[in-house]
Amino acid sequence: EVQLVESGGGLIQPGGSLRLSCAASGFTVSSNYMSWVRQPPGKGLEWVSVIYIGGSTYYADSVKGRFTISRDNSKSTLYLQMNSLRVEDTAVYYCARGGVGATVAFDIWGQGTMVTVSS
Amino acid sequence: SYVLTQPPSVSVAPGQTARITCGGNNNGRKSVHWYQQKPGQAPVLVVYDDSDRPSGIPERFSGSKSGNTATLTITRVEAGDEADYYCQVWDSTSVVFGGGTKLTVL
Repeated sequence: EVQLVESGGGLIQPGGSLRLSCAASGFTVSSNYMSWVRQPPGKGLEWVSVIYIGGSTYYADSVKGRFTISRDNSKSTLYLQMNSLRVEDTAVYYCARGGVGATVAFDIWGQGTMVTVSS
Repeated sequence: SYVLTQPPSVSVAPGQTARITCGGNNNGRKSVHWYQQKPGQAPVLVVYDDSDRPSGIPERFSGSKSGNTATLTITRVEAGDEADYYCQVWDSTSVVFGGGTKLTVL
């Protein structure tokens, strides 16, 4: 079965760090665009970061310089290293596979992991 | 940065047709994707590349585009279609989501 399972969320103080993981099964993360998307409580979807098949990485301005996306091909796992966390980073974080479309659409999503930044 | 504009809410009676729009100043040159999100669940792709449907998505869901406005159309609306709907495009190397539209089935 093709699926994504996130882990690593939790409660963290402002200024702290957290690493999210997203384990893929049924496909390899290195063969697809992979992205992180977040959703603050009661709000809409917000794109965070993407890693291309070739390894290039891109970030939303709101997280640039603080977050790092990476992948471990041997473990077929996507990561999001989050440093210097802010209260406004509080959200459910989803990983998603860019698996269809002439311009990549996200066809597989994980169940999400909650990150709460609060003192 | 690129902006996608969706109506905050759309209401429709069961069995009727719902239309959700997504405007952007250059959508005519971009492929638009649509996602459905029910409360407490992850988003689900329902239309990609303006009008293609992933396997498993009912034919009642369709997409179209006219000029810079993309439209998600849901025919014969059912109670189970009540959800938030988001459009999405790529703007160079960035992903952009619309603000979302809450579809209410009356």
